[in-house]
Amino acid sequence: GQSLEQPSEVTAVEGAIVQINCTYQTSGFYGLSWYQQHDGGAPTFLSYNALDGLEETGRFSSFLSRSDSYGYLLLQELQMKDSASYFCAVKGFQKLVFGTGTRLLVSP
Amino acid sequence: EAGVAQSPRYKIIEKRQSVAFWCNPISGHATLYWYQQILGQGPKLLIQFQNNGVVDDSQLPKDRFSAERLKGVDSTLKIQPAKLEDSAVYLCASSPDRAREKLFFGSGTQLSVL
Repeated sequence: GQSLEQPSEVTAVEGAIVQINCTYQTSGFYGLSWYQQHDGGAPTFLSYNALDGLEETGRFSSFLSRSDSYGYLLLQELQMKDSASYFCAVKGFQKLVFGTGTRLLVSP
Repeated sequence: EAGVAQSPRYKIIEKRQSVAFWCNPISGHATLYWYQQILGQGPKLLIQFQNNGVVDDSQLPKDRFSAERLKGVDSTLKIQPAKLEDSAVYLCASSPDRAREKLFFGSGTQLSVL
């Protein structure tokens, strides 16, 4: 089976940097994805790490350590529009399993 | 490029009634998924299709839920009979063959069972 752990909520102010952690346990691992979901909206893909290290996409970066079964999403220069839920998801052999999500609240 | 289309957007039914959801994936995406998302939780995979075939339906409550994907394109998910605990958002997603970790989601169907 697979299980993922994320903090339930994180708060930060505009312009700050925030890190959302994800630890996982899985019997088969191919990579770790991150998705953003605004209230009432659909999840949208942010990033994917198949190998150890940091992947950067604009203001967002994602990191993976396979040996530690750990990854994180780093959001820089936070904006109000970044207030949303963020899900890590483990890619197994056939399917993608989502974590419970971290709610990010960005204040002015 | 058109996104994943789902209908209806909202549905309210009484328990023990039946309901069906429809999904049209992005053109060319062979893999189609149905996820259930209960408020405050992450999406939970119900069923995954690769073209016409079922790849994974291990978490589909088969006594009441059914899904089909005829001709490898559109898909329908049915619940019969519905229970109160089926109240959730039902999300359809599709992914390209070369990037199955990158799911494109539809807007979802919000189901309320009273």
